[in-house]
Amino acid sequence: DGGITQSPKYLFRKEGQNVTLSCEQNLNHDAMYWYRQDPGQGLRLIYYSQIVNDFQKGDIAEGYSVSREKKESFPLTVTSAQKNPTAFYLCASSISGSGTEVFGPGTRLLVL
Amino acid sequence: AQKITQTQPGMFVQEKEAVTLDCTYDTSDPSYGLFWYKQPSSGEMIFLIYQGSYDQQNATEGRYSLNFQKARKSANLVISASQLGDSAMYFCAMREGTYTNAGKSTFGDGTTLTVKP
Repeated sequence: DGGITQSPKYLFRKEGQNVTLSCEQNLNHDAMYWYRQDPGQGLRLIYYSQIVNDFQKGDIAEGYSVSREKKESFPLTVTSAQKNPTAFYLCASSISGSGTEVFGPGTRLLVL
Repeated sequence: AQKITQTQPGMFVQEKEAVTLDCTYDTSDPSYGLFWYKQPSSGEMIFLIYQGSYDQQNATEGRYSLNFQKARKSANLVISASQLGDSAMYFCAMREGTYTNAGKSTFGDGTTLTVKP
């Protein structure tokens, strides 16, 4: 079955540590997205990519970095510059332009 | 700039009754898409329904329908015959752009729907 996988489901970060969240899709979608969701709130766009080797900042890109070396993969690194990283992170993909996004199950990041 | 407003933080509905979740949007782009997603307590985001800015008919998907009023910039979700499993958070979202130019999505803050037995 086609879909999006995110790993790990839970991730713990120590102070000053960089962590990388994985996102893989086998839907042959061109576009991929990373969102952050804080408790009781909506989704905020961190980064998005419409094609391999290209990506754009979203509304809250500071403290995060991404890469898009393969069509199937769009990993997100939460750097030590992100001072409040505790949140639920959702990855999504879509056929470029059509808009309907398919979401992964999410990763909950907690700071120790 | 894109903006989505959901004015109802929480809604209650009796099982088997219909409920309307409000969504208004703001954009200067004539081409855009409007989406509704459901998020149960497990956290997954489930796509429900889509309406394109040039669509003449209101979108429907089973028990879900979208009341699209373009002049008022509103895209309310109507759920008919509510079920206990409909209890979840519901998000309205918008993406600007045409098929060949995928823009970025903007999400509202969501409405928590509780269905009472």
